[in-house]
Amino acid sequence: EVQLVESGGGLVKPGGSLRLSCEASGFTFRNYSINWVRQAPGKGLEWVSSITSSGSYIDYADSVKGRFTISRDNAKNSLYLQMSSLRAEDTAVYYCARGHPIWVAELLFDTFDLWGQGTLVTVSP
Amino acid sequence: DIQLTQSPSSLSASVGDRVTITCRASQSIRSYLNWYQQKPGKAPKLLIYAASSLQGGVPSRFSGGGSGTDFTLTISSLQPEDFATYYCQQSYSIPLGFGGGTKVEIK
Repeated sequence: EVQLVESGGGLVKPGGSLRLSCEASGFTFRNYSINWVRQAPGKGLEWVSSITSSGSYIDYADSVKGRFTISRDNAKNSLYLQMSSLRAEDTAVYYCARGHPIWVAELLFDTFDLWGQGTLVTVSP
Repeated sequence: DIQLTQSPSSLSASVGDRVTITCRASQSIRSYLNWYQQKPGKAPKLLIYAASSLQGGVPSRFSGGGSGTDFTLTISSLQPEDFATYYCQQSYSIPLGFGGGTKVEIK
């Protein structure tokens, strides 16, 4: 089955650290960029970070830059998000999402075409 | 950063109604606009990419339109399973961003 499965969420105190994992199966993981997207309780979606298929190019949202680190291990079909200096506003469900570029009329469009079920991170004293 | 503004933020409609959601970008994003559906407690699902292309397996009652700064998602005949929140997302530039969402409730 083609899927992404997140793990590693939990309760952490402000200023603490947590490492999220996302394990892929059913497709050739090393061929795809992967993203982290989060959703605070009752709120909308927020893109967090992206990493290209080889890991050579990485981007972050300003809200997490300098505190979060995305990485991947293609041999293990796994994506990671190391989160440090956590704040209450980082409380959210964290999803990993596969980046899938699609050609339309000679232009390449990127999409999030496969999502995991999400893992909840709660930052609270 | 590119801002995406969706309207309305919520709507209530009857089964069979035609529903249109709009998404406005703060600057031109050409056709780099995707639409997602999210049901409560579930991950988002890709519906439309490149503003108007239907993702495989998505019912044809869903359609997208627009380019530049103004985009629409239309459900031609609302079904009970369409109760969900819909998000637009731009893939034109980093940071990738989402609209605030439109919650569709069934009357």
